[in-house]
Amino acid sequence: QKEVEQNSGPLSVPEGAIASLNCTYSDRGSQSFFWYRQYSGKSPELIMFIYSNGDKEDGRFTAQLNKASQYVSLLIRDSQPSDSATYLCALYSGAGSYQLTFGKGTKLSVIP
Amino acid sequence: GAGVSQSPSNKVTEKGKDVELRCDPISGHTALYWYRQRLGQGLEFLIYFQGNSAPDKSGLPSDRFSAERTGESVSTLTIQRTQQEDSAVYLCASSPRSAYNEQFFGPGTRLTVL
Repeated sequence: QKEVEQNSGPLSVPEGAIASLNCTYSDRGSQSFFWYRQYSGKSPELIMFIYSNGDKEDGRFTAQLNKASQYVSLLIRDSQPSDSATYLCALYSGAGSYQLTFGKGTKLSVIP
Repeated sequence: GAGVSQSPSNKVTEKGKDVELRCDPISGHTALYWYRQRLGQGLEFLIYFQGNSAPDKSGLPSDRFSAERTGESVSTLTIQRTQQEDSAVYLCASSPRSAYNEQFFGPGTRLTVL
């Protein structure tokens, strides 16, 4: 059974700080990994995806993947109050099933 | 371009009634997914369509749930004889033909069964 684990939070960081969100997974064969942002009452919005070990940067966001340790993280630099949301980690196993497996999300609160 | 659209945005129904939810994927996206999200919970996979291939129905919770898709266009999710536990947000996502399977979500339909 594929599992994706996230700390539910809430994670509180002051405005301007770096927010670090972490995710671990059980399926060692997982191929690609996604970070979605979900505002309260809204649908998930894709922020980034990563499939190779290492870092991938997009603006204030950096995704980090370590397949040997089976974790993926998202760093948000210069956090803004508008970043306050629930962040969902998801993975695609690529093993004949095309669904994404989602974690339950980490709630981030950026304090002005 | 236009994103994934879903209708209705909200649906309130009485227990035992049938409901039909609609999803319009992003133009050119070959794959379409339905997920369910209960209040305060994670996303639960329901069904997947890819082109004209047989759908993956492995996530449908009971035979009261069914879905159809014509080619690579609109999909409808039908719930028959609704129960209170069916109350949730039903999310549709579409994905281009890609090795990475990035999925883009619609705004969802909030279903409330009284």
